[in-house]
Amino acid sequence: KQEVTQIPAALSVPEGENLVLNCSFTDSAIYNLQWFRQDPGKGLTSLLLIQSSQREQTSGRLNASLDKSSGRSTLYIAASQPGDSATYLCAVRRGAGNMLTFGGGTRLMVKP
Amino acid sequence: EAGVAQSPRYKIIEKRQSVAFWCNPISGHATLYWYQQILGQGPKLLIQFQNNGVVDDSQLPKDRFSAERLKGVDSTLKIQPAKLEDSAVYLCASSPPGYEQYFGPGTRLTVT
Repeated sequence: KQEVTQIPAALSVPEGENLVLNCSFTDSAIYNLQWFRQDPGKGLTSLLLIQSSQREQTSGRLNASLDKSSGRSTLYIAASQPGDSATYLCAVRRGAGNMLTFGGGTRLMVKP
Repeated sequence: EAGVAQSPRYKIIEKRQSVAFWCNPISGHATLYWYQQILGQGPKLLIQFQNNGVVDDSQLPKDRFSAERLKGVDSTLKIQPAKLEDSAVYLCASSPPGYEQYFGPGTRLTVT
């Protein structure tokens, strides 16, 4: 059974700092890995999707890496802003038609 | 393009009462998912539909939860009778087969 863990559970940083969020998964046989953002009281917004054959994906100030063999992914946020404050979730998919298995999330607070 | 719609957004009921949630997926998306997200945790899949057929309902508490997707479009999720531990956000997502999932805003259920 796939288990996804995110560390740390909560993180508080000053504005402008670069930061890394970690995600680990127990079964390396994944189809893809996805990072989401969730604002309080809102649904999930997809940030980046990495296929199992890829090593990283970039979008603006966000960069996600994937090391399938070690069961790890990181989300790098450059020059953090107060608007980045949210919960960040990673999720893995076993096959093309399968469900997502989520980690517990990292709650990020960026202080002005 | 309209997103995934869910209603109601909030619901408060007493334990042992029944409740129903509604989801309207993105037009043309064959796959529909219901997730349960307990406060402080990542979402957990309850049921996955492909058109109007069930693909995965292994984590659905079938003694009290039921779901249907008539005509392969809208879906309803019902809880009867509700328990205190059912308090959570219920998220609906849809996708074309094998592609990225798009999430609705969720329904926040409080059972007192």
